[in-house]
Amino acid sequence: EAQVTQNPRYLITVTGKKLTVTCSQNMNHEYMSWYRQDPGLGLRQIYYSMNVEVTDKGDVPEGYKVSRKEKRNFPLILESPSPNQTSLYFCASSLYRTATEAFFGQGTRLTVV
Amino acid sequence: AQSVSQHNHHVILSEAASLELGCNYSYGGTVNLFWYVQYPGQHLQLLLKYFSGDPLVKGIKGFEAEFIKSKFSFNLRKPSVQWSDTAEYFCAVNPTSGTYKYIFGTGTRLKVLA
Repeated sequence: EAQVTQNPRYLITVTGKKLTVTCSQNMNHEYMSWYRQDPGLGLRQIYYSMNVEVTDKGDVPEGYKVSRKEKRNFPLILESPSPNQTSLYFCASSLYRTATEAFFGQGTRLTVV
Repeated sequence: AQSVSQHNHHVILSEAASLELGCNYSYGGTVNLFWYVQYPGQHLQLLLKYFSGDPLVKGIKGFEAEFIKSKFSFNLRKPSVQWSDTAEYFCAVNPTSGTYKYIFGTGTRLKVLA
């Protein structure tokens, strides 16, 4: 089954404790991205990747890092999480840069206390 | 600035009522247009998309949308909603040039009363 898989689904952590949210897709998609979803703000792009070793900042990249060492994986790294990063995070992938559907993971609900 | 506006933040309807959700975008170039739906506790799923051609597009579950280029609008419609349509609906645009991006609206929460 074609899918984007994120782990964990739920995470509660403390301020400053490094964490990684994993994202994996099995559709051989070139493009992947991370979004955060906050009430009243919709989804905002954090980072994106156009291929292995090619990543760039989205609209809200501060406090996040990503890597793309393999085509299927695109982890999101919070080096020193803060409470304002409490949010619902979605990973997405698409086959092309445009004129194509983005497929979304199930989401990771992160709480930073 | 690039943006997508969804003017209805919360909509409450009774079953069998008709639905129209507004979506307007601000972008200087050509875009692809999408409506995604998010059922409670689930990920976003594609309802329908417009790339080119007939501006009236039909999606899953009886939804349709019309692209009106002159108004920069892509409104979502359904003639008769069901309780199972209760969800949050997001309009999104994907520019055909420039960086890789899907720009989302803030979403419309639809509640359908049985």
